[in-house]
Amino acid sequence: GQQLNQSPQSMFIQEGEDVSMNCTSSSIFNTWLWYKQDPGEGPVLLIALYKAGELTSNGRLTAQFGITRKDSFLNISASIPSDVGIYFCAGQLGGNTGKLIFGQGTTLQVKP
Amino acid sequence: AAGVIQSPRHLIKEKRETATLKCYPIPRHDTVYWYQQGPGQDPQFLISFYEKMQSDKGSIPDRFSAQQFSDYHSELNMSSLELGDSALYFCASSVSGTGIYGYTFGSGTRLTVV
Repeated sequence: GQQLNQSPQSMFIQEGEDVSMNCTSSSIFNTWLWYKQDPGEGPVLLIALYKAGELTSNGRLTAQFGITRKDSFLNISASIPSDVGIYFCAGQLGGNTGKLIFGQGTTLQVKP
Repeated sequence: AAGVIQSPRHLIKEKRETATLKCYPIPRHDTVYWYQQGPGQDPQFLISFYEKMQSDKGSIPDRFSAQQFSDYHSELNMSSLELGDSALYFCASSVSGTGIYGYTFGSGTRLTVV
């Protein structure tokens, strides 16, 4: 079945540093998404990517959808303590199904 | 703005008992999705409903069933609970045909089976 491989699994960085994480898949996705999840809460959408090669920013976050529609990266610039959490990539196949396939997640810890 | 409401937030059940989780979608959202997230795991799709009909099915055990009602709220029924069913259960809602636009997750129900 479809699977997203997300890396790194965890990161421990100093406040102010930039962060990069990525996801790859053997499947082509219609839409690629990046979510942040705080402990005990539901995933919150950060960025949605719809077109191959698309580069989108949301404040300090930048994400790109790969040309082949099989990969994506998320960059966070100038990290702050509230960036702490688990970041998930997710793919939506499109068509009649709206279900999401999630990556394994990247746990980010920021040291003040 | 109204969000996806899930109840209860926390639930503790014993093995072999039954649990019912409820999800109230954002007003005018016609599609509901259920996900299961085990400890340290990513969310896994269970099942979805559009206009009260099952629209897609994932890795949902036969012991689980779900339905969507006329007011679009959905319930996930879990029987013969096992220790491995302990997880966060998320519901998401959206408007059919709009892709990811407005696709919103609830805060989840944490089910603990003892």
